[in-house]
Amino acid sequence: QKEVEQDPGPLSVPEGAIVSLNCTYSNSAFQYFMWYRQYSRKGPELLMYTYSSGNKEDGRFTAQVDKSSKYISLFIRDSQPSDSATYLCAMSANSWGKLQFGAGTQVVVTP
Amino acid sequence: DAGVTQSPTHLIKTRGQQVTLRCSPKSGHDTVSWYQQALGQGPQFIFQYYEEEERQRGNFPDRFSGHQFPNYSSELNVNALLLGDSALYLCASSFRDIPGGKLFFGSGTQLSVL
Repeated sequence: QKEVEQDPGPLSVPEGAIVSLNCTYSNSAFQYFMWYRQYSRKGPELLMYTYSSGNKEDGRFTAQVDKSSKYISLFIRDSQPSDSATYLCAMSANSWGKLQFGAGTQVVVTP
Repeated sequence: DAGVTQSPTHLIKTRGQQVTLRCSPKSGHDTVSWYQQALGQGPQFIFQYYEEEERQRGNFPDRFSGHQFPNYSSELNVNALLLGDSALYLCASSFRDIPGGKLFFGSGTQLSVL
């Protein structure tokens, strides 16, 4: 079993819809949770960062962390074709160490 | 402000050869991490360098080695290349005092081993 599980998709949604992404994990030591966006042939770009449990909102993006269920989510409101990318969840047990990534979910937003 | 820069962008090698990849961190950053990303997979942690020392290492064989220079730039060396080493190699930088060590990634070096 992988430490971090993420549905690879692809997830296809019409423009303006809400995109819902999630990851589950098994390591209870994880304290830091991140979502990255990766366009084809590019490096991952940090979208959201959360410490411990709770919600965080930044513009059209909302990240949720439920440590009791070992489950994290990312919601993208009013999706745009430019949101078409692969979304990677990542998590870490400490503030400086390695990140454990999910496999990534490919999202396609159709006009 | 230049972000993380990696060179070369693409590289083709044959089995058994050795390769060196280079990374310059984002301005103000002092910590460099290397990740390997196979096609269709998430990045896998190789190792992290801080103060010119390997601070943490992932589950990669000794064929993978690295170095950090006094100006914080870094190299990743891979010896005795295997076909399975074909991947996108990502360098990420961070600053030690930022909570969570938020990483900024370069665009990567695409390595093909034939």
